[in-house]
Amino acid sequence: AQRVTQPEKLLSVFKGAPVELKCNYSYSGSPELFWYVQYSRQRLQLLLRHISRESIKGFTADLNKGETSFHLKKPFAQEEDSAMYYCALSGPNRDDKIIFGKGTRLHILP
Amino acid sequence: DAGVTQSPTHLIKTRGQQVTLRCSPISGHKSVSWYQQVLGQGPQFIFQYYEKEERGRGNFPDRFSARQFPNYSSELNVNALLLGDSALYLCASIDTRSSYEQYFGPGTRLTVT
Repeated sequence: AQRVTQPEKLLSVFKGAPVELKCNYSYSGSPELFWYVQYSRQRLQLLLRHISRESIKGFTADLNKGETSFHLKKPFAQEEDSAMYYCALSGPNRDDKIIFGKGTRLHILP
Repeated sequence: DAGVTQSPTHLIKTRGQQVTLRCSPISGHKSVSWYQQVLGQGPQFIFQYYEKEERGRGNFPDRFSARQFPNYSSELNVNALLLGDSALYLCASIDTRSSYEQYFGPGTRLTVT
């Protein structure tokens, strides 16, 4: 079964502390992995995708095929990082549907 | 470019009624996807359309249908509404020119009473 699991509903982190949002997936084959973010009163938007290997707003995510994980990390949290984060996957074809996890709310404490 | 637009923003319907939601994609994008987001959950895929043809369908009953028009705008129809259909309905415009990145609209909040 194709599934994305985000074990934490809420993660509270102090400003300046490291952040790690966990994501595990189940997929038979080679999926494409994404992180989407939704800031307060804004639209859902793509944060990063594993194939681009970019660092966006200081966030990185490494695909670990052995552990089927795609955790999102940032070394130093900033208050503007407070948002809802969704891990997602799609199949290898460019127009495959996207399967989302339930999301983790990241709350940065001052 | 205003990005992806959806209408209406909110609406309230009663059980058994029918509803039509509308989406206009970003200019130049030929594909749209529809998602349902129930409170506390991530978006769940309903349909994808490309050049007016259905390219994918999620695990939703036949009460859900959609179509795409020659100008690439799209409608999502839900018949015989149930309380459980209350959700945020998201439309995504897909950049078929290059990255196939999905750009989401603001959503339509449907409440079924």
